[in-house]
Amino acid sequence: GAVVSQHPSRVICKSGTSVKIECRSLDFQATTMFWYRQFPKQSLMLMATSNEGSKATYEQGVEKDKFLINHASLTLSTLTVTSAHPEDSSFYICSASIPGLAGANSYNEQFFGPGTRLTVL
Amino acid sequence: LAKTTQPISMDSYEGQEVNITCSHNNIATNDYITWYQQFPSQGPRFIIQGYKTKVTNEVASLFIPADRKSSTLSLPRVSLSDTAVYYCLVGEDSGGYQKVTFGTGTKLQVIP
Repeated sequence: GAVVSQHPSRVICKSGTSVKIECRSLDFQATTMFWYRQFPKQSLMLMATSNEGSKATYEQGVEKDKFLINHASLTLSTLTVTSAHPEDSSFYICSASIPGLAGANSYNEQFFGPGTRLTVL
Repeated sequence: LAKTTQPISMDSYEGQEVNITCSHNNIATNDYITWYQQFPSQGPRFIIQGYKTKVTNEVASLFIPADRKSSTLSLPRVSLSDTAVYYCLVGEDSGGYQKVTFGTGTKLQVIP
């Protein structure tokens, strides 16, 4: 099956620093990737949709200047949390779908990465 | 985006069949229904997807009535390793890819 990786899996940083999280599709090309955030014991919340070669589309309430998304290639999207603060501590998850995979009885399945645990001190 | 409603939690004994029902009253004509499984500190994993009637794969079955306003995920003979959160998602057609919204999910606890 399609594999999505994330790096790092866990990061601890000081308040005010910036953190970059990478999301890679290992065995397929992904024109579209999604970034989610998940707080403890809560559901996943879609933050933005990342499109290769164009600007990301952010969900309402997500600060685009704080969460910078770059999708420079068909296999890599990055999320940079700028000037991170303790309230940004969360589990960040990316996903990607394979274009054209949908069949007559299915739609584009999303393949999720393993997630990145961000802790801001 | 169609909103989904699921029970917050369920308990089941090992070896039993578990049925988790999801309501999605505002599902659109082009929306598909997808179920994911998530273990703690891991990304969600695809379980099954359907549009109408019944779909079955090696791990689960998905039952969708004719009005498509609900769906039921059926897990046969659960084991302890099936303890996880199960999400029902209804996808929105956003220019060729499926943009989805996660609901609260159902936390399934399998008891020995």
